[in-house]
Amino acid sequence: ETGVTQTPRHLVMGMTNKKSLKCEQHLGHNAMYWYKQSAKKPLELMFVYSLEERVENNSVPSRFSPECPNSSHLFLHLHTLQPEDSALYLCASSQEGYRTDTQYFGPGTRLTVL
Amino acid sequence: EDQVTQSPEALRLQEGESSSLNCSYTVSGLRGLFWYRQDPGKGPEFLFTLYSAGEEKEKERLKATLTKKESFLHITAPKPEDSATYLCAVLGSGNTGKLIFGQGTTLQVKP
Repeated sequence: ETGVTQTPRHLVMGMTNKKSLKCEQHLGHNAMYWYKQSAKKPLELMFVYSLEERVENNSVPSRFSPECPNSSHLFLHLHTLQPEDSALYLCASSQEGYRTDTQYFGPGTRLTVL
Repeated sequence: EDQVTQSPEALRLQEGESSSLNCSYTVSGLRGLFWYRQDPGKGPEFLFTLYSAGEEKEKERLKATLTKKESFLHITAPKPEDSATYLCAVLGSGNTGKLIFGQGTTLQVKP
């Protein structure tokens, strides 16, 4: 595998379900991110992890719970979601530093909440 | 507050018809301006990073330029495979990894 991978690519869940999104980066980076992309809206940053510590929580509802067990893996745990949470969820990674902080994105998970 | 505005929202070109996309920004201490390409249902694909006014970068038919207030993505003699949404984002000096994205320009190139 190369770059940033995400699984599953598509997910349909009910409002009472619990599911998790997985992201893995194969770039040797030290920072990872979750973004939400809804139709007709700019990408919204949800969470930032730097050196496995959460450094940003962009006012995200508690029904979204991130986990970063190491610098290569990032999870987004989902529970009791709402239909308006349906969106494309994107993971990205970067190497923090001077002029090295370009973020590289995975293919995304298309989430539908019924 | 950091902000990015892209124009136009949508652009239709004939194959071979060159044009430019605009990204206007306000940011506290620019650390970088980023251009991405996104195909429907896929993640953004990195194109360019620009760090200071006057900087230019090229890749095939694309050329990105940067001033203190805006960036342009010039597309020379586009082909149908250049059809995609082009995203601009900025990273400010006060933010840890917090890219601020514009809404994107959707480009359609007709043969």
